[in-house]
Amino acid sequence: DVKVTQSSRYLVKRTGEKVFLECVQDMDHENMFWYRQDPGLGLRLIYFSYDVKMKEKGDIPEGYSVSREKKERFSLILESASTNQTSMYLCASSLGSLGGSELGPYNEQFFGPGTRLTVL
Amino acid sequence: AQKITQTQPGMFVQEKEAVTLDCTYDTSDQSYGLFWYKQPSSGEMIFLIYQGSYDEQNATEGRYSLNFQKARKSANLVISASQLGDSAMYFCAMRTSNFGNEKLTFGTGTRLTIIP
Repeated sequence: DVKVTQSSRYLVKRTGEKVFLECVQDMDHENMFWYRQDPGLGLRLIYFSYDVKMKEKGDIPEGYSVSREKKERFSLILESASTNQTSMYLCASSLGSLGGSELGPYNEQFFGPGTRLTVL
Repeated sequence: AQKITQTQPGMFVQEKEAVTLDCTYDTSDQSYGLFWYKQPSSGEMIFLIYQGSYDEQNATEGRYSLNFQKARKSANLVISASQLGDSAMYFCAMRTSNFGNEKLTFGTGTRLTIIP
């Protein structure tokens, strides 16, 4: 079974703190993703990575950065946490694509259990 | 830009009845895919079903089926014979590829509650 783990289920931080959220997958997936989930807004993509040391901005990258030094690990960093970053954060991974504009067989994203972050 | 719309924030359904969760999408891509995920109260996202834009048949997985109407840009999830364990958030998502880098765009979700 694919397993995606996240370092914490619940986290409470203070405004201005630097926050690290860690995600590890054990299935040798090329792609990894960070989302935040807020009521009424669904899941929104923050950053994703399709290879080690590669990263791409998602839809809401402001206030966040990421790091992928090893294939199995993808970290989300809040350089200076703010109260509007209180949210549920979900990590996901998937196999790499075949390339090109045509989609090949689907590669579902496997999700971790989520980290509920509260910034006070 | 890709967009997914789920217009039902919440639904209440009697146990054993069938339920349809609505999903419409907007994209200019010719090649795309549509996923449905379930999120129980535990928080983990569970993949349910997938439909590719070129698939001629509607996808089915056990009690789940996807009513895909390409011309109307809709991809509704149908759950037959609902069970109490189906109570959860349900998200529709669209998969698109930009030179091989795949992304998912999610809708806002529907909270389904099954009533005994």
